[in-house]
Amino acid sequence: DAMVIQNPRYQVTQFGKPVTLSCSQTLNHNVMYWYQQKSSQAPKLLFHYYDKDFNNEADTPDNFQSRRPNTSFCFLDIRSPGLGDAAMYLCATSRDLQARGNQPQHFGDGTRLSIL
Amino acid sequence: AQRVTQPEKLLSVFKGAPVELKCNYSYSGSPELFWYVQYSRQRLQLLLRHISRESIKGFTADLNKGETSFHLKKPFAQEEDSAMYYCNSWGAGGTSYGKLTFGQGTILTVHP
Repeated sequence: DAMVIQNPRYQVTQFGKPVTLSCSQTLNHNVMYWYQQKSSQAPKLLFHYYDKDFNNEADTPDNFQSRRPNTSFCFLDIRSPGLGDAAMYLCATSRDLQARGNQPQHFGDGTRLSIL
Repeated sequence: AQRVTQPEKLLSVFKGAPVELKCNYSYSGSPELFWYVQYSRQRLQLLLRHISRESIKGFTADLNKGETSFHLKKPFAQEEDSAMYYCNSWGAGGTSYGKLTFGQGTILTVHP
């Protein structure tokens, strides 16, 4: 049973054309994260939401935005995708920011974004 | 800031051989450490958490505070263990609060 669901699994867009990736969760977790993962590299955190509080990583380009309209859904918007933005985008959730009992993050399958 | 180091990008062993994936961390407090695994075309998933002191799929990992290490070990590797392994720490404060700090990852290949 998928608990963190990302749609679509594969997304193709054109250079400069805005694209939105979606993530939903059935865990009722407070925290949702977006990562960018390039080939054979570790995931790189872009930003996260704690409830409605948005936290951007210092080195995340302005081209990347996020929305969280409710607890279950979180979106990643890329305003003007460049060739360097082609990557796997991972969504993850966590019950809280504190590691009570070592609560890990739960990851989705990812969306692989290609730029033409 | 927390740091997690996996010194080996690639590790190859033969089936049945012991395997050890190295992980070192830098953190002044009590670390919360995990091993995550990513099999080909599958989602990133939790393998082990240090506080549980469990064995999953034959893998164990012991926290060694003196050496600041959390190495992942398995006495007899299987072909299905081939995957990318990440050692992670959970941020308890500062700019790492509420975030996973990833190691660089180790690609394990188990040959028949």
